[in-house]
Amino acid sequence: AQKVTQAQTEISVVEKEDVTLDCVYETRDTTYYLFWYKQPPSGELVFLIRRNSFDEQNEISGRYSWNFQKSTSSFNFTITASQVVDSAVYFCALSETVNQAGTALIFGKGTTLSVSS
Amino acid sequence: DGGITQSPKYLFRKEGQNVTLSCEQNLNHDAMYWYRQDPGQGLRLIYYSQIVNDFQKGDIAEGYSVSREKKESFPLTVTSAQKNPTAFYLCASSPGHWTEAFFGQGTRLTVV
Repeated sequence: AQKVTQAQTEISVVEKEDVTLDCVYETRDTTYYLFWYKQPPSGELVFLIRRNSFDEQNEISGRYSWNFQKSTSSFNFTITASQVVDSAVYFCALSETVNQAGTALIFGKGTTLSVSS
Repeated sequence: DGGITQSPKYLFRKEGQNVTLSCEQNLNHDAMYWYRQDPGQGLRLIYYSQIVNDFQKGDIAEGYSVSREKKESFPLTVTSAQKNPTAFYLCASSPGHWTEAFFGQGTRLTVV
């Protein structure tokens, strides 16, 4: 069965610290996609990144970076120089084939990040 | 503006009542989803629909029902058979296979 594990339930850091959120996944699919979402206190999930299983290049977007390692089935997310506005719940997700017609996302349980000033 | 609109934002239900959560999208997406979020549990898939007039059960469909009569709309009914309905419900849509899902702002349902 497909599964996403985010072992860190809560992380607290002080502003300007770097922080890495871990994500480990299980899938039997050879083609799959991985995602990260941010959920601020308002509740709406904000899409951050999508990565396909054939592209293991790391990606950087501003203070955000992602490390995809197929060998360890991990897709970790690092925030550099964290800010208070980064405080949120972060979800890692994996695409799952739900029938012949399409896919759905399965989510990890999320990591709550608290950044204090 | 394009997006997904969920209403109401807060909903209170008496035990034994059915309630319907609205989800509308103007993104012209084929696929729509309903997720339930409980504290510490992440998001769990309730129902999904890939095209109009077709929908499939997700992992926790018991006590819920949906319809997909129009591409833009995917309402979720929480029936009295759902024993623990208090939760945060999120609707999402996506344009196709393997793509990211776009989420509404959610409906917080409380049983009183």
